[in-house]
Amino acid sequence: DIQMTQSPSSLSASAGDRVTIICRASQSISTYLNWYQQKPGKAPKLLIYGGSNLQIGVPLRFSGSGFGTDFTLTINSLQREDFATYYCQQNYRTPLWTFGQGTKVDMK
Amino acid sequence: EVQLVESGGGWVQPGGSLRLSCAASGFTLSDYWMDWVRQTPGKGLEWVANVNQDGSEESYVDSVKGRFTISRDNTKNSLYLQMDSLRAEDTAVYYCARDCCPGDLDHWGQGTLVTVSS
Repeated sequence: DIQMTQSPSSLSASAGDRVTIICRASQSISTYLNWYQQKPGKAPKLLIYGGSNLQIGVPLRFSGSGFGTDFTLTINSLQREDFATYYCQQNYRTPLWTFGQGTKVDMK
Repeated sequence: EVQLVESGGGWVQPGGSLRLSCAASGFTLSDYWMDWVRQTPGKGLEWVANVNQDGSEESYVDSVKGRFTISRDNTKNSLYLQMDSLRAEDTAVYYCARDCCPGDLDHWGQGTLVTVSS
C-alpha cells in the first residue's frame, strides 16, 4: 500500500499569511496527487488534481506542486474562509486510493 | 447540478448489517466510477471501496474485504454499500463520491453516520 504522510498535523496562521502544507508518499506517485479542503460538518471538496491543476472555481491563491514523493499545497494570502482541514490523496495505484492524515489550519 | 444524497445510516450492534444508498442526480451515473469514503468522528478520511462504470470491477480497503460489498444500479441512478459483520471500528460518517478520471473525487454527498455499538 502507498502511505501518505502530511506535515504539519496542524498550524496556526493569520489572515494574509502564506501557508505551506507538505505531503509525502511512501513511493513515487508521479503527479497522481490531489488536495481536498474540508470544513467542519461538511464533505471534502476537491481543490487540486494532478499535483498542480486547480479544480474549477478554486481561487488562484491556492497552488500545488511536486513530483514523485514530495508535494506541497500553498495558500497565498490566507482568507478567513480558508481555515479548514486539508487532505492529500494519491490516485497513482489504481483503484486503491489513500489519503494523508490531514492538516488543520486554524486562526492564530 | 450534480447531487449525491446518502441514506441508510444508523445505529447497529456489532455483528449486524446495514445497507447504505447514494442517490445520484445531475449527471449520467453510468459514465463514472463511484466511491465510498468514511471518516471516523474527529479523525481523517479513509477510502473504503469503489466500483467501475458498469459494476464489473470492485475494489476494497483491506479492513472491509469480505464484509462490505459495493454495487450500483445505473437504471435507478443509485450506488450502494452493503455492510455485514459490522465492528465498532466501522463507526464513521460514510460519504459517496463521484470518481472522475479515475481517482479525482470531484463531487461528494453530505454523508450518513453509521454507529456500531452494543
